[in-house]
Amino acid sequence: DAGVTQSPTHLIKTRGQQVTLRCSPISGHKSVSWYQQVLGQGPQFIFQYYEKEERGRGNFPDRFSARQFPNYSSELNVNALLLGDSALYLCASSPPLDRANYGYTFGSGTRLTVV
Amino acid sequence: AQSVSQHNHHVILSEAASLELGCNYSYGGTVNLFWYVQYPGQHLQLLLKYFSGDPLVKGIKGFEAEFIKSKFSFNLRKPSVQWSDTAEYFCAVIDTDKLIFGTGTRLQVFP
Repeated sequence: DAGVTQSPTHLIKTRGQQVTLRCSPISGHKSVSWYQQVLGQGPQFIFQYYEKEERGRGNFPDRFSARQFPNYSSELNVNALLLGDSALYLCASSPPLDRANYGYTFGSGTRLTVV
Repeated sequence: AQSVSQHNHHVILSEAASLELGCNYSYGGTVNLFWYVQYPGQHLQLLLKYFSGDPLVKGIKGFEAEFIKSKFSFNLRKPSVQWSDTAEYFCAVIDTDKLIFGTGTRLQVFP
């Protein structure tokens, strides 16, 4: 059990549609990050949220957005889906930001297929 | 910005063989380095991490990594692999509070 829960596990969408992915961090973790893992590549950073505020954004178009809720759970939204958005979307949670104790724990991911 | 290179894309070994996977990061200064493993169908798991101190880091499942600052390297090693080590291995570095991953190395271990 990873401790970070993501839903749904699998999703098939059509080009042009919109999708929302959800993540619940480990209890006590206040930071949530989103990563995209395309087949054959390493995960790429999309967003980081801490205490409900965006703390970092990767090189992704504005079609990608996210938010963090008061209970520290998070949603990733992708609008106007493209075939190239097909990937495994990973959520990672970590304790309060502390450079001496980085502990990123990943969820199992949501496999998004765009057809 | 930091970047990570993993030059071994696919490694095939027999059980009991020794393993070394290469990882290089792009620039120096204070670095925080990680190795993650992704078993088939499972989530990314942390194998080990380096923040400071002893450059030889011990991780889980018999893995270790050596931080060599002069070579910008953080290679992963295991003296004797098992079939259960078949997985994808990712090296990563922290860059302004986000993880930068390499492209990964697929390890296949045959009995």
